[in-house]
Amino acid sequence: AQSVTQLDSHVSVSEGTPVLLRCNYSSSYSPSLFWYVQHPNKGLQLLLKYTSAATLVKGINGFEAEFKKSETSFHLTKPSAHMSDAAEYFCVVSERGQAGTALIFGKGTTLSVSS
Amino acid sequence: ETGVTQTPRHLVMGMTNKKSLKCEQHLGHNAMYWYKQSAKKPLELMFVYSLEERVENNSVPSRFSPECPNSSHLFLHLHTLQPEDSALYLCASSPTQGGNTEAFFGQGTRLTVV
Repeated sequence: AQSVTQLDSHVSVSEGTPVLLRCNYSSSYSPSLFWYVQHPNKGLQLLLKYTSAATLVKGINGFEAEFKKSETSFHLTKPSAHMSDAAEYFCVVSERGQAGTALIFGKGTTLSVSS
Repeated sequence: ETGVTQTPRHLVMGMTNKKSLKCEQHLGHNAMYWYKQSAKKPLELMFVYSLEERVENNSVPSRFSPECPNSSHLFLHLHTLQPEDSALYLCASSPTQGGNTEAFFGQGTRLTVV
């Protein structure tokens, strides 16, 4: 069965410094991977997705993620954090050929940004 | 705005009440989902509908009853809930079910059971 592990439950950075949110996945097939963001009292918004094309994926708001099959990782990065980036981030996996399977979410990483 | 609308945004209900959550999408998507988001726990997939047919039910208690009358609407009927059912209930839709398509989420209904 597919799964995702977000290695940090909470990450704190200063405004203007780099962001790294770590995610490892487990999948029997070639996976599709996503990062979603959830701001307080809001629904989930797609940041970016990987679907077996380029391994470096660029998303919205300056975020990007790199798919590394050898490390089964899909870490999310941003060169310079902004106060508005403070939110909950979810790494998500979805597999083809799994009838009845929808998106499987990690436990989430809370990103705090200080001035 | 994702194109997925949930009502109500907030709901407080007693354990003996019956209420329904509504989800609506006009994105032309064929799959719709209910997720439960509790504090300190990962999102839990509750139900999946594809082309108005239920394709997954992840051992959800019978006090939660979904209904998908057409491809644009999804309901979650609630009755005799427990306080531990208090959570954020999220609806999502996607062009197809599973595979490599992302889901579009509504803003959720914050449910409190008293």
